[in-house]
Amino acid sequence: RKEVEQDPGPFNVPEGATVAFNCTYSNSASQSFFWYRQDCRKEPKLLMSVYSSGNEDGRFTAQLNRASQYISLLIRDSKLSDSATYLCVVNGGGADGLTFGKGTHLIIQP
Amino acid sequence: GAGVSQSPSNKVTEKGKDVELRCDPISGHTALYWYRQSLGQGLEFLIYFQGNSAPDKSGLPSDRFSAERTGGSVSTLTIQRTQQEDSAVYLCASSLLLPGAFGQGTRLTVV
Repeated sequence: RKEVEQDPGPFNVPEGATVAFNCTYSNSASQSFFWYRQDCRKEPKLLMSVYSSGNEDGRFTAQLNRASQYISLLIRDSKLSDSATYLCVVNGGGADGLTFGKGTHLIIQP
Repeated sequence: GAGVSQSPSNKVTEKGKDVELRCDPISGHTALYWYRQSLGQGLEFLIYFQGNSAPDKSGLPSDRFSAERTGGSVSTLTIQRTQQEDSAVYLCASSLLLPGAFGQGTRLTVV
């Protein structure tokens, strides 16, 4: 299966700081990209899609770099409630379907 | 239903027994995925269905694991002769137009 790689962390970040993490993917034909969030003992839930031109949703910014085959997620003014695991998801299209990374664990500290 | 439904939510079974886990995807979703997740670990891909066929079953860990999907809807994941290392949360996701949605999972404990 095509690879999606993430740094598992944990990233320990003080409240209010800005944090960013990347995800690399191996399938150059990948068509669409997403970030999911998973809270402890819960199922993953969609956080945001990643568009080619980059996109923002409040404190969250997602970027796509097709040339280098990575996507990034930046969280500004981090809150305690941002503590979670963030999963990178890549759609290879056709028979490949969605591929989920194993996630980056983020801990926001007071 | 409104979301992906999995049953049972919890299953405790004795080592060596067979178990069947069920996933009801969101109505009309053609793609269905099975993952498992051990405590504190990332998602481990098991199998992917498009309609009733499985283009990718590369993640099934052994021949004790099998999955089927009928009518392009419900899927069952069967684990035969369960082992303690099979204990995990088994998550199902479905999608039509992207992205996908997950069920709440089945927590399997093999004792």
